[in-house]
Amino acid sequence: LAKTTQPISMDSYEGQEVNITCSHNNIATNDYITWYQQFPSQGPRFIIQGYKTKVTNEVASLFIPADRKSSTLSLPRVSLSDTAVYYCLAPNRDDKIIFGKGTRLHILP
Amino acid sequence: EAGVAQSPRYKIIEKRQSVAFWCNPISGHATLYWYQQILGQGPKLLIQFQNNGVVDDSQLPKDRFSAERLKGVDSTLKIQPAKLEDSAVYLCASRPNRGGTEAFFGQGTRLTVV
Repeated sequence: LAKTTQPISMDSYEGQEVNITCSHNNIATNDYITWYQQFPSQGPRFIIQGYKTKVTNEVASLFIPADRKSSTLSLPRVSLSDTAVYYCLAPNRDDKIIFGKGTRLHILP
Repeated sequence: EAGVAQSPRYKIIEKRQSVAFWCNPISGHATLYWYQQILGQGPKLLIQFQNNGVVDDSQLPKDRFSAERLKGVDSTLKIQPAKLEDSAVYLCASRPNRGGTEAFFGQGTRLTVV
């Protein structure tokens, strides 16, 4: 199971672009990188998933370099409502979804 | 599409009492997970079902926790007897099938053991 490492916390201001980097040095060839978002008093919510290069959806972009040892979640023009915990995961072939401590993102006005 | 339903939303019990949580996954989702989330920590996987069979329960404290998924649909998680350190949010999640992408989470049950 790939171990992921990400910053414990980050602060940013409204309107800024936020980039959260996750390292996963021992990711397996077939593992995807997946990001979840969790607001207080709610369950985690899937944001985005990718295998390599770049993936973009209506919420975020995910950048994965060729060596796949890290990935960066990019949130464009954040607002106060983006304050949440963001988890980087690499679910394995058995479909285990293992969460780490995540990154607490705090958006300031 | 209805989401993952969990009940109750909140529960307060005294230590050594028993408690049960219920989860109704999204219709047709074969994989079901139960997580324990202690305040300030990430969710910890307790048990994973594939239909009505257990895929992984290595992190489930089996001396006091039990879970079942009868008929491969609804699931219940039970704690008996509860300890103070069991105070946490218990999250249920479901996923369409093995190798599927996103998992869908319920809002969780917040358990307080006093």
